[in-house]
Amino acid sequence: DAGITQSPRHKVTETGTPVTLRCHQTENHRYMYWYRQDPGHGLRLIHYSYGVKDTDKGEVSDGYSVSRSKTEDFLLTLESATSSQTSVYFCAISEMGTAGNEQFFGPGTRLTVL
Amino acid sequence: GNSVTQMEGPVTLSEEAFLTINCTYTATGYPSLFWYVQYPGEGLQLLLKATKADDKGSNKGFEATYRKETTSFHLEKGSVQVSDSAVYFCALNYGGSQGNLIFGKGTKLSVKP
Repeated sequence: DAGITQSPRHKVTETGTPVTLRCHQTENHRYMYWYRQDPGHGLRLIHYSYGVKDTDKGEVSDGYSVSRSKTEDFLLTLESATSSQTSVYFCAISEMGTAGNEQFFGPGTRLTVL
Repeated sequence: GNSVTQMEGPVTLSEEAFLTINCTYTATGYPSLFWYVQYPGEGLQLLLKATKADDKGSNKGFEATYRKETTSFHLEKGSVQVSDSAVYFCALNYGGSQGNLIFGKGTKLSVKP
């Protein structure tokens, strides 16, 4: 299994509070991704990174920011959590960004915003 | 734009039944196609992939063939087991410099003994 961990695994927070989710990899892969999974929507890309300090927006980036100061860590921040951000968040990594390259997924973080 | 459509579930089968989960796609260029599986409480795992037309991906008894003429990548297994109960996602990667995956909405499979 690819070495990907996510923390915390579960979190309950209140509307308006900031939240940071962490993804840590031990594979030294260049690309890292944050997805959210919601019933009826599959997985949707929030942000991705193609190197240290290099990030870009995905399909559903509003209300989220990311940072990558080290190859192994990719942080997702909800500046002011809303109930619509209740979801399961998955981090993924990929060695290359080409079409045929596999992405490896972490175990997920279940976030509940009350 | 690029998109993936897969059959809605849930799908309930008896053990040893034949499985087909339909997946069609819309994409510019020549995407790679994937099937991921998610077991309860876990992240996604790659089940199989195909990177060009007419390629067949296979793993653990599952197969899917990249059909460019019908823009399809249907997942099949000849004899399902209870342990195959999971959610299955079809996805495409249209390339570019980011390798972003676009997912279908997922199909939940339940296999009864």
